Amino acid sequence: DTGVSQDPRHKITKRGQNVTFRCDPISEHNRLYWYRQTLGQGPEFLTYFQNEAQLEKSRLLSDRFSAERPKGSFSTLEIQRTEQGDSAMYLCASSLGLAGPTSSNIQYFGAGTRLSVL
Amino acid sequence: GEDVEQSLFLSVREGDSSVINCTYTDSSSTYLYWYKQEPGAGLQLLTYIFSNMDMKQDQRLTVLLNKKDKHLSLRIADTQTGDSAIYFCAERKDSNYQLIWGAGTKLIIKP
Repeated sequence: DTGVSQDPRHKITKRGQNVTFRCDPISEHNRLYWYRQTLGQGPEFLTYFQNEAQLEKSRLLSDRFSAERPKGSFSTLEIQRTEQGDSAMYLCASSLGLAGPTSSNIQYFGAGTRLSVL
Repeated sequence: GEDVEQSLFLSVREGDSSVINCTYTDSSSTYLYWYKQEPGAGLQLLTYIFSNMDMKQDQRLTVLLNKKDKHLSLRIADTQTGDSAIYFCAERKDSNYQLIWGAGTKLIIKP
């Protein structure tokens, strides 16, 4: 296992269609994060999991978005009824989250899935 | 990235030092990170610093942290063409380990 992998790398879809992205984290990492990045901006936090539990969701994550991590390993991010404003790079990261604020909890990122909604 | 601010561009000559600056707003952030993003690639961690440190050096990279002013900088010595990329500063919220990012500084290398 060499890092975080995301699939697909690119997705082109028509407005109104549903899309699903997959993220495979580094195998021993218990935390998994989803971010969205648009051109010229830094990533924006969407949600994160500790093991299989989804612990936080950003207000950016509308009810058209859902994320799962069923067995605490890989995760999926689904967008229903896509809109043109959903076009962005969707980034997944994972970390080994040890307890306490002194843990570095470094997040390692995948290459991302670039979504284009036509 | 409204909590973390960076200049959008920095242009330096090959061989010179590059200094990329960042200001953040959450004084309770315990970790601050620098990531590098090349075109079409994901985010690569370059280095990080714990808030009880004021300097960290790693080969050509030097990170300086001024907690009083909430200012972070990344110095790249002997800048090479391979250093061309966008550099992101990020602070970690300890409540949920979420990273808050700047908009990134594009480093341009002149021959």
